[in-house]
Amino acid sequence: EADIYQTPRYLVIGTGKKITLECSQTMGHDKMYWYQQDPGMELHLIHYSYGVNSTEKGDLSSESTVSRIRTEHFPLTLESARPSHTSQYLCASRPTGTDTQYFGPGTRLTVL
Amino acid sequence: DAKTTQPPSMDCAEGRAANLPCNHSTISGNEYVYWYRQIHSQGPQYIIHGLKNNETNEMASLIITEDRKSSTLILPHATLRDTAVYYCIVKDPGTYKYIFGTGTRLKVLA
Repeated sequence: EADIYQTPRYLVIGTGKKITLECSQTMGHDKMYWYQQDPGMELHLIHYSYGVNSTEKGDLSSESTVSRIRTEHFPLTLESARPSHTSQYLCASRPTGTDTQYFGPGTRLTVL
Repeated sequence: DAKTTQPPSMDCAEGRAANLPCNHSTISGNEYVYWYRQIHSQGPQYIIHGLKNNETNEMASLIITEDRKSSTLILPHATLRDTAVYYCIVKDPGTYKYIFGTGTRLKVLA
């Protein structure tokens, strides 16, 4: 079983608020990912991290930012949330040397 | 981009084998095929992966054609809890990106 956690699981906020979605894993994995998924749609990669202090943007343009100060922690921040940010955000990790990703339970964000 | 093609939906009777096909005709020689499933809106769950040989684990079997252009995930005795969206994935060659696609929505019927 993978040990990857996301908080909060559900979040409803107003437009303009700053929010941080938390993702933590206890497996010591170097690689971590953030995906965005609208209901019934495919997952889109929005951020990727090779390791500590190494992050890159994914294919889908996103107004969010990420940081990777510690191996186990990969938070995603929206400086000013908008209704278009309403979606599910999924965090994943994988160890170096394998392509198997382990996903967290997701955060369902609603911006009013 | 490495891409996969899957049927959008399938039904399967409970207790029967569910065979989920996937086309990946542009897969490169050293790229693995991965299968994940997503139940409701939970995070995707890894099922199985393979390169060119058939693979089996406690969850499923994976059959890969000799030319590697397609594969089939087999759930030997489907249960109601296997109702989910199943994704066939290959990694974009030379990158860290995994192309998920829209998957196959499998409904297991009682």
